[in-house]
Amino acid sequence: DADVTQTPRNRITKTGKRIMLECSQTKGHDRMYWYRQDPGLGLRLIYYSFDVKDINKGEISDGYSVSRQAQAKFSLSLESAIPNQTALYFCATSDDRSTDTQYFGPGTRLTVL
Amino acid sequence: GQNIDQPTEMTATEGAIVQINCTYQTSGFNGLFWYQQHAGEAPTFLSYNVLDGLEEKGRFSSFLSRSKGYSYLLLKELQMKDSASYLCAVRLSGGSYIPTFGRGTSLIVHP
Repeated sequence: DADVTQTPRNRITKTGKRIMLECSQTKGHDRMYWYRQDPGLGLRLIYYSFDVKDINKGEISDGYSVSRQAQAKFSLSLESAIPNQTALYFCATSDDRSTDTQYFGPGTRLTVL
Repeated sequence: GQNIDQPTEMTATEGAIVQINCTYQTSGFNGLFWYQQHAGEAPTFLSYNVLDGLEEKGRFSSFLSRSKGYSYLLLKELQMKDSASYLCAVRLSGGSYIPTFGRGTSLIVHP
C-alpha cells in the first residue's frame, strides 16, 4: 500500500464550486505539505503543517485553505474554484529527525472549467 | 533570494552519460535535493547533498559546491526509463527549512 495517498486522483469542476482534496499518510511523519505544479513553473508551496496544531502559509496560499485533522491527514480546500487553479496538486510528508526529505503522494489533477 | 536555475530540457542517447546542472543564489544554504519525476507521476527522492563533494548511488551521482552555488546530477549508462524531469530543490537554514524547487529539467533519452 502507498505511504502517502491522495483523493480524488482526478477532478473536474466548475468555477465557483467548493472543492476539497484529501491527503493521508501512514509514514508517521509530523510534517505535511501541499504543492501545486503547473507546466514550466515547477512545484510551488501552498500550505504546510509541522504538527497537528501548526498551520502555515506557503508561497501561494491565496484562494486556498487547509485543515490538519490528525497527524495522518491534511486536506486542502478551494472555497470558490477559479480556472487558474487548474493544476496538478501534490501532498507531501517529511520527517524532521532526518534530512527532512519529502515523500510525495501520487497527485490530484484538478480542472476548473 | 533563492533563484534556482536549471536547463529546461536536455536530450541524450541511451548508454551515454548526461550531467544536469543546478545553480542557486541564496544565503543560509542548508542542503540540496534532487528528485526524479516521470510524466504525470509524483516526484521521488534521488539524493541529498549538504557538504561539498560527490555522492554516488549506483548509476546516479550528485555533486555540490557550496562556494560556487552549484550542483549537478550525473546519470551514467542512460536507459530509456531515465526519461523524466529532474528537480533541484534548495533548503535554507533558519525559518522553516522547507526546500524551494527549481522548475525542473526535462531529460529525453533517445535509443
